[in-house]
Order: sequence, then structure tokens, then C-alpha cells
Amino acid sequence: DAKTTQPTSMDCAEGRAANLPCNHSTISGNEYVYWYRQIHSQGPQYIIHGLKNNETNEMASLIITEDRKSSTLILPHATLRDTAVYYCIVSHSGTYKYIFGTGTRLKVLA
Amino acid sequence: AAGVIQSPRHLIKEKRETATLKCYPIPRHDTVYWYQQGPGQDPQFLISFYEKMQSDKGSIPDRFSAQQFSDYHSELNMSSLELGDSALYFCASSSIRIWNEQFFGPGTRLTVL
Repeated sequence: DAKTTQPTSMDCAEGRAANLPCNHSTISGNEYVYWYRQIHSQGPQYIIHGLKNNETNEMASLIITEDRKSSTLILPHATLRDTAVYYCIVSHSGTYKYIFGTGTRLKVLA
Repeated sequence: AAGVIQSPRHLIKEKRETATLKCYPIPRHDTVYWYQQGPGQDPQFLISFYEKMQSDKGSIPDRFSAQQFSDYHSELNMSSLELGDSALYFCASSSIRIWNEQFFGPGTRLTVL
């Protein structure tokens, strides 16, 4: 079973920040939080990952709560090209199998 | 930068036929994963290989087998195909020494008629 819970869908206005939440209340101490997105049946694309500190890269920011039971992916200025299904995955590492949940279908509106 | 290569990109087979899907990982990656994504479903882990040895196994049917070769490419062999095998099959690769995340290929779309 997936270790994460995400909203089924979200809308976001173009140019605004998109905040995608994820609950992972059973995460263990050595498990990372990974975020991927899948644009229309393409291969899942890596976005960002973190262990307990907040992370930022050129694509997004990842905010992990202090108790690590939830996290939020932030796309600072959403564009139409960000419309995709976003998956939050908890895994021991990138060299361990991923268990995909249902993901959040983000629609960016013009 | 080099990415994961999968071939063929599209494959159409009849029921009870066999299919072979190929995956070429990113150079210097030592681990390969196979995932299956049925229509309207989320990707499901099938099997993985590390340094040519099976490292983990998920919900892979007995009709399927896979291996990783000395050049690190991997093949997923599917026999006695069923209509329900129609899906997108993704391969991903990673390296514990280089990167911490898995990189996915573009997928092979298998249609069983």
C-alpha cells in the first residue's frame, strides 16, 4: 500500500504559486520524501526530494514539517506546462522501489 | 544529458503472443527498475535489478521475466499475453554512487489485441 495521501485534484491560476500537500504519517526516520510529476503518460519526471530539511531547486521548493508527517511541494509561479499529475513518494532512497499513490492532478488555469 | 532509453516505444501484440521490452539505463547507473501503468492507473513496481542481480520484486506475473545484462541494459520478457497486459511500461535507472533519485524513461506502450 502507498505510504502517502494526496488530494485527488487541484486547480491553480497561471502565475500563482501552487501548493501541493502530502501526508505521510507513517514515514520512518531513514525514509526520504520524493516528488515526481507525470505529464500526460510521459515518464515520471523527478522534481525534488528531502529528508527533514526544507529543500529548493530551480523547479520547486519542498517544505517538510518538523515531525515529518507531512510535506508541501511549492511551484512558485505555475505555468500551463505545469499541468500534470504530481506524486509524493516515500522511499528509503532512490535506489529502492517506489510505491506510487494516486497523486494530485494539478490543472493550471489561464 | 543522456537519459533512459526504452525500445520499442509502441508495441502491438495479439493475445497469447510474447513481447520483449528493452531498457538502456543512464551511463554509469547500476540499478534498473520496471514499472507498469495500466490505463487510468498509477505506476506499479514490477521488478528491479542491481549489478545484474534481481534486487526486489513486486506484483510481477509469473508470465513475465526480466534480466539485466553485463552492459547494464535490461529486458522484460512477457509471454502468453493477455488483454490486461495492455499498459505503459516504464523503466527507471539509478546509481547509489552518483545520484539518489530514479530517472524514468519515456515508456513503452504495449497494446494487446
